[in-house]
Amino acid sequence: SAVISQKPSRDICQRGTSLTIQCQVDSQVTMMFWYRQQPGQSLTLIATANQGSEATYESGFVIDKFPISRPNLTFSTLTVSNMSPEDSSIYLCSALQRGAGNTEAFFGQGTRLTVV
Amino acid sequence: QKEVEQNSGPLSVPEGAIASLNCTYSDRGSQSFFWYRQYSGKSPELIMFIYSNGDKEDGRFTAQLNKASQYVSLLIRDSQPSDSATYLCAVRVWGNNRLAFGKGNQVVVIP
Repeated sequence: SAVISQKPSRDICQRGTSLTIQCQVDSQVTMMFWYRQQPGQSLTLIATANQGSEATYESGFVIDKFPISRPNLTFSTLTVSNMSPEDSSIYLCSALQRGAGNTEAFFGQGTRLTVV
Repeated sequence: QKEVEQNSGPLSVPEGAIASLNCTYSDRGSQSFFWYRQYSGKSPELIMFIYSNGDKEDGRFTAQLNKASQYVSLLIRDSQPSDSATYLCAVRVWGNNRLAFGKGNQVVVIP
């Protein structure tokens, strides 16, 4: 199974600033995703990180607020821009890996963001 | 209608009993179904996936899929305190590789 390293694991940021979260996979993967998980809630997909092209954003999420990069098949970043307290959440990157007849999804350790 | 629904509240089971979790989904074309376990403060980890109608067993876990009823379930046999976690049902959306998640069910195994 793929191992996904995500950093930082947590951060406390001032409102109005930006934070970039990095996600590194130990093998090439077909697709990478960024999710947000509010306290006590399930995962909400922010966007699909496309290698070599602009990310595909879900309804309610825009590139200006959550710019995403994916320069190659093993690395992606998510930036949370112009942060407000409402952005306090856990952010998770995920990767799909094809196995023998199966496709599985794996998660990074998550980034716990607190905006003050 | 939500893509994936898990409507049960927190589930408390005594140690050694069977925990049963249910999930329904709205997209009849969905092909892949997953159960994730998430401990408090941790990221989700995949415990089961199922593609075909019927049962799939892996250790103490059994996933059951009924595509006609758009229903997938997870059974945890011989529940242990270490099984106490939130269990997330996920469905791969047809025509798209993204996963849609249910809100999760909290399981508490009482020693």
